Amino acid sequence: DAMVIQNPRYQVTQFGKPVTLSCSQTLNHNVMYWYQQKSSQAPKLLFHYYDKDFNNEADTPDNFQSRRPNTSFCFLDIRSPGLGDAAMYLCATSVLTSGHYNEQFFGPGTRLTVL
Amino acid sequence: GQNIDQPTEMTATEGAIVQINCTYQTSGFNGLFWYQQHAGEAPTFLSYNVLDGLEEKGRFSSFLSRSKGYSYLLLKELQMKDSASYLCAVNDYKLSFGAGTTVTVRA
Repeated sequence: DAMVIQNPRYQVTQFGKPVTLSCSQTLNHNVMYWYQQKSSQAPKLLFHYYDKDFNNEADTPDNFQSRRPNTSFCFLDIRSPGLGDAAMYLCATSVLTSGHYNEQFFGPGTRLTVL
Repeated sequence: GQNIDQPTEMTATEGAIVQINCTYQTSGFNGLFWYQQHAGEAPTFLSYNVLDGLEEKGRFSSFLSRSKGYSYLLLKELQMKDSASYLCAVNDYKLSFGAGTTVTVRA
């Protein structure tokens, strides 16, 4: 089945130690997103890629970076995780057609714990 | 900017009907999504409205009025497994989510 896969599902890191979260998709969608969701809050968009074009949200901290080496894969790098970065990180994909963004499909998420 | 409002919590009895309202004021609009999210899991798609009116999908229906900036999700014949958070999201180039409505279904 076509899907969005995130690894790992649970990640524990130490304060200040860089961490990378990965997302892959078999949907061949041209748009990939990274969201941060803290407990009892709405998902918050960090950035998205349309093909290889990177689009950063204005309020995304510099501590967060992303890479998309090809259509199928997208990575979220947190350079120096702080305690406030503990959250669920959601990857999603979508298709841009005729200038319109369509339904987003979410991966299962990676829950990040910062010690 | 984006402003999306929905109630924080709702409680209903198994077999009953619950309506979750969502109002929005957004700079762009290309449709409104409803997602269901169980605790600790990713959101899953429930419905999508781009034109005014009612969309029905089994026990779930969603309504949109673009002129009023208003949508609702109607859950019928509630089951215990429907206990979850329901997220209203406005689609522009990104999804702008409301904070979610936690629905608790009681026996």
